[in-house]
Parts: sequence; structure tokens; C-alpha cells
Amino acid sequence: DAKTTQPPSMDCAEGRAANLPCNHSTISGNEYVYWYRQIHSQGPQYIIHGLKNNETNEMASLIITEDRKSSTLILPHATLRDTAVYYCIVRGGSGSRLTFGEGTQLTVNP
Amino acid sequence: DAGVTQSPTHLIKTRGQHVTLRCSPISGHKSVSWYQQVLGQGPQFIFQYYEKEERGRGNFPDRFSARQFPNYSSELNVNALLLGDSALYLCASSWREFSEAFFGQGTRLTVV
Repeated sequence: DAKTTQPPSMDCAEGRAANLPCNHSTISGNEYVYWYRQIHSQGPQYIIHGLKNNETNEMASLIITEDRKSSTLILPHATLRDTAVYYCIVRGGSGSRLTFGEGTQLTVNP
Repeated sequence: DAGVTQSPTHLIKTRGQHVTLRCSPISGHKSVSWYQQVLGQGPQFIFQYYEKEERGRGNFPDRFSARQFPNYSSELNVNALLLGDSALYLCASSWREFSEAFFGQGTRLTVV
């Protein structure tokens, strides 16, 4: 699976949009971009995934660049409960396994 | 609807013992995967089962084994426990092999 690069940490003010970037420059045509988050000591929570089109659900929006080499997860109105480690994962090249990297620690401040 | 349920939630074992961890997938889901998460790191893939067949295996020793039952629940077995096996063991289920996976809250295993 393609390797992803994320900033180790980010801060965001409560009520503002949180934009989490991810680089995946070696992504293949059949690989999807997945986002999960993990609040301390809990199991990872699925957020959203996409192939090449932008996606939106009740939790977040996923913006994938046209060349698919990077993506951005957008939490439109961050709350304190959004404080978590966010993982960007490219999936599909070597089966259905999820390969987790270091992720981004997002801290939402009051 | 119930999510992915794992049992037990916490477990303490002694070196050399074996352990069995259990996972019940979301109703209707036919795929179960297991992950190990050591403190401070992201989860690492151990196994995936789909329709009771092994579909993937991560880089773990043969002391780790798993199986999936006809009702799609799953067990992860670890033999000859080492201190380094202390971790959060996560189970994830998905409708099909390549569908989005939903995780349980995990089993915290401590080996002393």
C-alpha cells in the first residue's frame, strides 16, 4: 500500500474548521483513501473514504486532489470531542488490510 | 444496532501462558480483522477472515492464530505469551472483504 505522510500534530479553535492534510504521492489507481480517528484508549472510528471524487458525510468532508497525490479531511465545526489522533490510510494495493501510520494528533482548544 | 463487541475488555496473563480473545462482528458483517496496538503506536494488522477463510496475515509469529466461526464471530489465540505481547488487541468487522471496517473497543492484554 502507498505510504502516507501527515503532520504529527495540529491545533484548532473550537467552532472553526479543522483541515487535516495527507500526502500519498505513490498512490495507485485502484487504491482508496481512508480516514479514521482514535480517541485515547478507544478503538479507531471510521470517518470517511474516497477514490477520486470529493466525499461528504455527516462527520466530515474529504477533498482529494485531481492527481490523487494528496487529500484533506475537513471537520467543518470542530468541537472538543474531536480531539483525537487522525489516521490517513491508503488501502487496496495489498489486500484489504489497513496500514496505520503515525497519524496527526488534533487538539481542539476552547 | 450493536457495534463490534470484544471480550474480555481487560486481561492479565503470565509469561508463557496462552490467551484467547473473542470478537462478535456487527450483524450482517462477514469479515473480521484483528489488529495489535502497542502503546504509542498505530494499530498493526494481524489477520483478516472473510466467509470463514483466512484472507490476509500480517508479520506476526506463528504463536498468533485465529479462526472465524459459522456465525462470523472470531477468536484470536496467542500462545507462549511474551512481555512484548502486552497491547490493545482490536477487532474490526466489515460487510464484505473490502468494505469499510468498524472497530470494537479492544481487549487490553497485559503480560507480566
